[in-house]
Amino acid sequence: SQTIHQWPATLVQPVGSPLSLECTVEGTSNPNLYWYRQAAGRGLQLLFYSVGIGQISSEVPQNLSASRPQDRQFILSSKKLLLSDSGFYLCAWSGTTPKAFFGQGTRLTVV
Amino acid sequence: SQQGEEDPQALSIQEGENATMNCSYKTSINNLQWYRQNSGRGLVHLILIRSNEREKHSGRLRVTLDTSKKSSSLLITASRAADTASYFCATVRNNNAGNMLTFGGGTRLMVKP
Repeated sequence: SQTIHQWPATLVQPVGSPLSLECTVEGTSNPNLYWYRQAAGRGLQLLFYSVGIGQISSEVPQNLSASRPQDRQFILSSKKLLLSDSGFYLCAWSGTTPKAFFGQGTRLTVV
Repeated sequence: SQQGEEDPQALSIQEGENATMNCSYKTSINNLQWYRQNSGRGLVHLILIRSNEREKHSGRLRVTLDTSKKSSSLLITASRAADTASYFCATVRNNNAGNMLTFGGGTRLMVKP
């Protein structure tokens, strides 16, 4: 069966520090991968999506970047965090069906 | 921009009552999905309804879709305290980059025991 792992679960980082959030999927190949951000009590904003290794598309301009070094690995990064980068980050994957499967999320607090 | 918008934003009911949440969207869709999110967790897929379907059932869940009004509703019957969560509708934007889900702002449901 397919599983998705996202870590860490929580992270507190100072302004200006770098960021690296990792997401891996098991049990499937060539998944579509997504990074979403969710502000408190709000909906999900799509940040990045990828349909294959090295193929990244960005939905909104921001201080973040994403990479897909392996088929089932999706990384969200920043060189210098801003206070406004705080939020709940969710990784998700989908396959041949439109249904998406989500990781448990990372709560990032930039202080 | 958000494709789907749910209303109400928050709903509080007693256990045993029915809960109805609505979703409106703006563009043509191939399907519409509903997801549930427990506080501080990831989203879990509940049900998918295709654009050529008008109603779909899954257990205590009933989803309707009106493509002429660009709206959908999720009904949870005989609610339980464990149904307390946020519920989101999502539409699929098909493009060359795969099936991209766009979510609404969600309805926060509280079921009081």
